[in-house]
Amino acid sequence: DARVTQTPRHKVTEMGQEVTMRCQPILGHNTVFWYRQTMMQGLELLAYFRNRAPLDDSGMPKDRFSAEMPDATLATLKIQPSEPRDSAVYFCASGLGTANTEAFFGQGTRLTVV
Amino acid sequence: GESVGLHLPTLSVQEGDNSIINCAYSNSASDYFIWYKQESGKGPQFIIDIRSNMDKRQGQRVTVLLNKTVKHLSLQIAATQPGDSAVYFCAESRSYNTDKLIFGTGTRLQVFP
Repeated sequence: DARVTQTPRHKVTEMGQEVTMRCQPILGHNTVFWYRQTMMQGLELLAYFRNRAPLDDSGMPKDRFSAEMPDATLATLKIQPSEPRDSAVYFCASGLGTANTEAFFGQGTRLTVV
Repeated sequence: GESVGLHLPTLSVQEGDNSIINCAYSNSASDYFIWYKQESGKGPQFIIDIRSNMDKRQGQRVTVLLNKTVKHLSLQIAATQPGDSAVYFCAESRSYNTDKLIFGTGTRLQVFP
């Protein structure tokens, strides 16, 4: 069945290292979101794309985070250099971008920066 | 500032009872609302949605009520089951498509036998 696929599911890395998280949106969905979930902040929207073009990345720390869509089947979220405060679960979601349709979430990548 | 928030962080109910989860939103320009359910270790899962031109929408065992006058949203779950135990989020959007879903802080629903 159609689902959003995120890799890796878990990542433990040392502070200062580069981290890349990947997302395969549901085939045919033209809108992709990146969210970060922490106990303190809840679900925060980091960035989102429509037809591979970034529409809003105002929620993303620009100095260390970057989000791209190399093609319609792959979205990436990169952190360089990573810091302990980046530890969170990162969710990718995709949607049709049409009226009254929801976003479908992946299982998330749990990132721990030590 | 703009925010979507929840009144109760944890709700405990007995199996078979009805559950009501509440959500307040602050932006009157919001016109599309969604309830998501998140189980441990999983991503949020769509439950039900409602547009701002509606007051009520029903699904299977769930009902969403929207009161635009007081900017309040609620999710009612009938005959709550153990499988309903999860964290529930309301989310708002300011357009009819999936642009910029802003999530509330979440309410944990615990169902006891």
